[in-house]
Amino acid sequence: DQQVKQNSPSLSVQEGRISILNCDYTNSMFDYFLWYKKYPAEGPTFLISISSIKDKNEDGRFTVFLNKSAKHLSLHIVPSQPGDSAVYFCAASDSGAGSYQLTFGKGTKLSVIP
Amino acid sequence: KAGVTQTPRYLIKTRGQQVTLSCSPISGHRSVSWYQQTPGQGLQFLFEYFSETQRNKGNFPGRFSGRQFSNSRSEMNVSTLELGDSALYLCASSLAQGGSYTEAFFGQGTRLTVV
Repeated sequence: DQQVKQNSPSLSVQEGRISILNCDYTNSMFDYFLWYKKYPAEGPTFLISISSIKDKNEDGRFTVFLNKSAKHLSLHIVPSQPGDSAVYFCAASDSGAGSYQLTFGKGTKLSVIP
Repeated sequence: KAGVTQTPRYLIKTRGQQVTLSCSPISGHRSVSWYQQTPGQGLQFLFEYFSETQRNKGNFPGRFSGRQFSNSRSEMNVSTLELGDSALYLCASSLAQGGSYTEAFFGQGTRLTVV
């Protein structure tokens, strides 16, 4: 069973507009969430994270929102730039499990059109 | 500060052989995790090491094993390679301080091709 789901395999956005990437999870024990950006044949690059005690975290153009009751998080990128084109992965962790295992979604490919 | 270093970057092996991949974490990071990325399955957790102890293991056969050394460097080994083991193998390191979660930083990965 897939505990972290990214239901949109791809997303196209015009340069300068907002990109919204969504992620749903089913495991209520997850308490830390991260977003990673990945280019082909490279390792994922950490973007931003959020703890379950918060509902929003901002870092420059990137904002992550967490809705615990809906088990849903989203990544907003404003304004979107062509260099943001990549695959974005949502990941979750259960810090109470005594391990730093990350459970990943299957990714959303973002294309920012100039 | 140097990032996570994985060697080699690319590897071609024959079915039935074994392979060892290496990962040097960010200096001061004590937790090292390994992931397998394939087009069909995405990023899947293999195992995590902390202070030379395996703390958690994913749903992979016993052919996949690993270890961590006292300097936090880690190796993973795959024995009796199968065609389905062809994948990008990623290593991630975390500071792992104070019991709370800290972000994991990934290396460039090792692309393993089994022929």
